[in-house]
Amino acid sequence: QQQVKQSPQSLIVQKGGISIINCAYENTAFDYFPWYQQFPGKGPALLIAIRPDVSEKKEGRFTISFNKSAKQFSLHIMDSQPGDSATYFCAAGRGDKLIFGTGTRLQVFP
Amino acid sequence: KAGVTQTPRYLIKTRGQQVTLSCSPISGHRSVSWYQQTPGQGLQFLFEYFSETQRNKGNFPGRFSGRQFSNSRSEMNVSTLELGDSALYLCASRLEVGTSFFLNTEAFFGQGTRLTVV
Repeated sequence: QQQVKQSPQSLIVQKGGISIINCAYENTAFDYFPWYQQFPGKGPALLIAIRPDVSEKKEGRFTISFNKSAKQFSLHIMDSQPGDSATYFCAAGRGDKLIFGTGTRLQVFP
Repeated sequence: KAGVTQTPRYLIKTRGQQVTLSCSPISGHRSVSWYQQTPGQGLQFLFEYFSETQRNKGNFPGRFSGRQFSNSRSEMNVSTLELGDSALYLCASRLEVGTSFFLNTEAFFGQGTRLTVV
């Protein structure tokens, strides 16, 4: 009930392509779904987040799509750039607890 | 505004020893959470402190403990270290203003302490 499943584990995309990372959760009580970006040697940093009362949120090249009935949400990175190469974590939370997915290592090649 | 500060950045310890890691949250943040990050397991929640009280705890053995001081700084202690404890330990702080749930929930992470047990 507390798990957040994330896929794929790693992703290789060409510059300009679309990167898609998927997550699924089990606990219907979760009501906050953030994505974090982590560069080597750094802590994770909040990228974008969504609440379940909307189905999509877009910030620049980053979009979260949320499917409440399927208990799934995904991150789309449009026009992927080499600078986007990092590890991405989805998370699901309620109140003061965040459960993280296992991470996706994205590599964007020029 | 200073971010979350974790010390030390790197640590090498021997099996059986104990270790204490420190985290200074962003000024004004009273919630501090600790996570263990390993390549295979991702980010695993250890515990969360708020106003000097442990509010949540993950599924880690009792060798992992923590505390929070009145200035919100937090320490994490691991006793009787095992090789499997080698990981990046991350601290995250959050601001709670009591009314806006969404604003309450963003966690700001430090750069972590890389612990190697040999």
